[in-house]
Amino acid sequence: AQSVTQPDIHITVSEGASLELRCNYSYGATPYLFWYVQSPGQGLQLLLKYFSGDTLVQGIKGFEAEFKRSQSSFNLRKPSVHWSDAAEYFCAVGALQGAAGNKLTFGGGTRVLVKP
Amino acid sequence: GAGVSQSPSNKVTEKGKDVELRCDPISGHTALYWYRQSLGQGLEFLIYFQGNSAPDKSGLPSDRFSAERTGGSVSTLTIQRTQQEDSAVYLCASSLSGAHNEQFFGPGTRLTVL
Repeated sequence: AQSVTQPDIHITVSEGASLELRCNYSYGATPYLFWYVQSPGQGLQLLLKYFSGDTLVQGIKGFEAEFKRSQSSFNLRKPSVHWSDAAEYFCAVGALQGAAGNKLTFGGGTRVLVKP
Repeated sequence: GAGVSQSPSNKVTEKGKDVELRCDPISGHTALYWYRQSLGQGLEFLIYFQGNSAPDKSGLPSDRFSAERTGGSVSTLTIQRTQQEDSAVYLCASSLSGAHNEQFFGPGTRLTVL
């Protein structure tokens, strides 16, 4: 069965500093990988996704993630954090490639606090 | 265009009562998913509908949970004889057909079972 681990429950970062959120997955084949963000009182919004090809993926809001098959990782990064980036971030792995749908397995989430 | 909408936004019920949660997906989206977000379990997949195919119910936690999707659009998640452990935020998502398509999430229904 697939699984996702986000080792950091909370991260505090200063505004303007860089941010890296860790994600490790377990999946038997080449995974579909996603990062979602959930702001307080908001639904989940997709930041970026990886299916194949270039292992460095660019997303919205200045985020990027790198797929490393050898490490089973898909870490999310942002060079300079803004106060509006304070939120909870979820890494997810999708089910079967080529399927009509894609039920997601989520990690436990990382809550990011931004200090002024 | 409108996103995924869910109703009610909040629901408080007493243990043992039945509840119905509604999801209106984005028009034209053939795939619809229900997830549950709770403090103890995080975000969990519940059920998935794709077009006219039989739903994937593999994530439903017990037979008290059921869902239907009428006319390939609106979906209702029903929880019978609610228990306190059912308290959670129930999220609905929809997407175009195909595993690579983005799932768009609704704002969720917060269910509290007293």
